[in-house]
Amino acid sequence: DTAVSQTPKYLVTQMGNDKSIKCEQNLGHDTMYWYKQDSKKFLKIMFSYNNKELIINETVPNRFSPKSPDKAHLNLHINSLELGDSAVYFCASSQTNRSVPPPYEQYFGPGTRLTVT
Amino acid sequence: GQSLEQPSEVTAVEGAIVQINCTYQTSGFYGLSWYQQHDGGAPTFLSYNGLDGLEETGRFSSFLSRSDSYGYLLLQELQMKDSASYFCAVYSNYQLIWGAGTKLIIKP
Repeated sequence: DTAVSQTPKYLVTQMGNDKSIKCEQNLGHDTMYWYKQDSKKFLKIMFSYNNKELIINETVPNRFSPKSPDKAHLNLHINSLELGDSAVYFCASSQTNRSVPPPYEQYFGPGTRLTVT
Repeated sequence: GQSLEQPSEVTAVEGAIVQINCTYQTSGFYGLSWYQQHDGGAPTFLSYNGLDGLEETGRFSSFLSRSDSYGYLLLQELQMKDSASYFCAVYSNYQLIWGAGTKLIIKP
């Protein structure tokens, strides 16, 4: 009964490869996110989808492409991987109904540790 | 621009009380949240302040002063398991703006 799950948990790959990370949430939330956390622990929002619609698209190289086939899934595809892409990638979800006030608590997946060699 | 400032590291003794401060500068403000992250783990939600004042949840309390653009997280009766990073985050314009995190080191 995992709330937010990600696969794979670890990903080791070489520069130039293309890889995907999958995320699923079973909380019935309407918003999903991708975050990148670097070695200094800084959490950077990359993308956010609300009801399958892209609502946040921060300054991220276009090698990164999110895809939301339905409200419960948000995948991240990365082309031509670079050394600087090495980080932990977190998927998160929240219920962000505009008719109710925050906190819009975000539930995070366990993270995918990506290492590019 | 939008920014949140919090100390990078705080050290305290087991059983003591520690306060982690957060100041923010954001366009639009709907509340201040705190998240905890243990090494190797995922961030988890701790508390939220939408209005000025103190919110208490067990050993943890969080405070907000909107006029000062300032908040803090107070941890009492520190336990070794409280060793973690703590992030403040402001809900602004339909997204969370995150601080850089404070690493809390607890000594026995």
